[in-house]
Amino acid sequence: DIQMTQSPSSLSASVGDRVTITCRASETVSVYLNWYQQKPGKAPRLLIYAVSRLPSGVPSRFSGSGSGTDFTLTINGLQPEDFATYHCQQTYRTPYSFGQGTKLE
Amino acid sequence: QVHLQESGPGLVKPSETLSLTCNVSNYSIRDGFYWVWIRQAPGRGLEWVATIYPPHNTFYLPSLKRRASISLDTSQNQFFLRLTSVTAADTAVYYCARQAGSSGWYELESWGQGIQVTVSS
Repeated sequence: DIQMTQSPSSLSASVGDRVTITCRASETVSVYLNWYQQKPGKAPRLLIYAVSRLPSGVPSRFSGSGSGTDFTLTINGLQPEDFATYHCQQTYRTPYSFGQGTKLE
Repeated sequence: QVHLQESGPGLVKPSETLSLTCNVSNYSIRDGFYWVWIRQAPGRGLEWVATIYPPHNTFYLPSLKRRASISLDTSQNQFFLRLTSVTAADTAVYYCARQAGSSGWYELESWGQGIQVTVSS
């Protein structure tokens, strides 16, 4: 199985900051790497897919990069509504594993 | 825009069977996409449970494969998760979701709101 490791587990930041979260896979996942945002008591929502593609409606301050085993989610100019937990997930091969999550506070 | 809604019991006794339903609206499940169950135990990360690709192609988390069953009913536009012999470790919020298939990158593009399931006597 492919293990996904996110760092850090939690992160303190302020409005306006540039924030970076990393996700590392135990083996290559090619470009099958997705990010989800989850707010307390809510379902996750797709934030970025295929490493760097933004679904319709996701603000352009979110961006993703990487390939193979190392990936990054960046938020440029943190907004109050961005304080949430972020999860990476590989969909290269089943079981489709997630990282443990990064709580942005 | 597709809408997914989970339903099922909120409380299940240990050793019994958990049965969940995901009702899909504004999209016909027979028309494509994959259909998925994800769970999240208290204070934990997300865990993929199972995926079904119509009509009967299924994939399971290996540790749950002996106990889990995912299926769908195209006439009712619903899909289901059945988990037998539950224990406290199965206590979680269960989400159903639509997953992009080979035309995408298998991302989980739409989610239900989730249903809390507690396993307790």
